[in-house]
Amino acid sequence: EPEVTQTPSHQVTQMGQEVILRCVPISNHLYFYWYRQILGQKVEFLVSFYNNEISEKSEIFDDQFSVERPDGSNFTLKIRSTKLEDSAMYFCASTVQGMEEKLFFGSGTQLSVL
Amino acid sequence: GESVGLHLPTLSVQEGDNSIINCAYSNSASDYFIWYKQESGKGPQFIIDIRSNMDKRQGQRVTVLLNKTVKHLSLQIAATQPGDSAVYFCAENIDTGNQFYFGTGTSLTVIP
Repeated sequence: EPEVTQTPSHQVTQMGQEVILRCVPISNHLYFYWYRQILGQKVEFLVSFYNNEISEKSEIFDDQFSVERPDGSNFTLKIRSTKLEDSAMYFCASTVQGMEEKLFFGSGTQLSVL
Repeated sequence: GESVGLHLPTLSVQEGDNSIINCAYSNSASDYFIWYKQESGKGPQFIIDIRSNMDKRQGQRVTVLLNKTVKHLSLQIAATQPGDSAVYFCAENIDTGNQFYFGTGTSLTVIP
């Protein structure tokens, strides 16, 4: 069964450093998402992306965050200057149509900011 | 704002019994709901979905019930197995995009 893959599974970084989290969505999907989950808390929406541009973003997704689809397969989340409170599990997800459709999630990248 | 919450943070059931996990949502405009299962170290896995024009949907060993009057969603798992042990989230979607709002999650433990 096709799946969303994310790398790395764990990322440790120093506060203020830039990190890039990588995702390979399912190949025929057109809509891509990043969610995050702080330990013990809800899964929270960050951003959705379609046709090479952001379609929705939450309040969490401030100027420190950016997303990119640099080629036909990868979808990345960049945090420019990490803060302690960015420590969380980051999930990438994708869908075919983007509306009222189940999200397929990757296994996540655990980001730890020290 | 929208909120999705779960009535019980933990649930323990005997293997073979049925499980019921509940979820309350607050936005009456929500029209699509999904139950996800999350095992340790993995991403959320789709279990079953339901649209607001339905009040019940059945899958393999799972049933979702939707009560729009009281804004309540439940997941029933029949003949619960040890492999069902996980955290279960409900998520709601409003027909303005594909942003989902997730509940906190209920941790289900199946006792052999």
